[in-house]
Amino acid sequence: EPEVTQTPSHQVTQMGQEVILRCVPISNHLYFYWYRQILGQKVEFLVSFYNNEISEKSEIFDDQFSVERPDGSNFTLKIRSTKLEDSAMYFCASSWADTQYFGPGTRLTVL
Amino acid sequence: GENVEQHPSTLSVQEGDSAVIKCTYSDSASNYFPWYKQELGKGPQLIIDIRSNVGEKKDQRIAVTLNKTAKHFSLHITETQPEDSAVYFCAASLRNTDKLIFGTGTRLQVFP
Repeated sequence: EPEVTQTPSHQVTQMGQEVILRCVPISNHLYFYWYRQILGQKVEFLVSFYNNEISEKSEIFDDQFSVERPDGSNFTLKIRSTKLEDSAMYFCASSWADTQYFGPGTRLTVL
Repeated sequence: GENVEQHPSTLSVQEGDSAVIKCTYSDSASNYFPWYKQELGKGPQLIIDIRSNVGEKKDQRIAVTLNKTAKHFSLHITETQPEDSAVYFCAASLRNTDKLIFGTGTRLQVFP
């Protein structure tokens, strides 16, 4: 069964450093998403991406965040200058229509 | 914007009993309601979903009901098994929007 994959599973970085989180969505899906989950809290929407552009973003997704689909298979989330409060699980999801399938997540720890 | 409330936050049941988790949403324009199961250290896994043109949907031991008038929807798990132990999240999505708004989660523990 096809699934969303994410790398790395765990990323540790120093405050102020740039990080790139990578995702490979399910191959025939057209919509791509990033969500985050701070430890013990609910999953929060960050951004959605369709037809090579952002279709919607939340107030969390400020100028420090960017997304890119550099080739036909990868979907990336970049945080330019990480803050302590960026520490969270980051989930990529993809969909063909409204049903979204989530990857296993990347745990980002900012020290 | 849309807000989703979920209850209870924790639920403990004996194996074989039923479990019910309830969610309410605020925006009557929401039209898609998925349920996700999240095991420790893993991503949310879709277990069932329902759309606003349907009142009930069942898949083996799992069922979801939707009451549009009251703006609430519920997950029912029958004949619970220890492997059902996980955190369950409800979510809602507005028509013509991409994002899912998640509830706060319910930690279900099924004791053998």
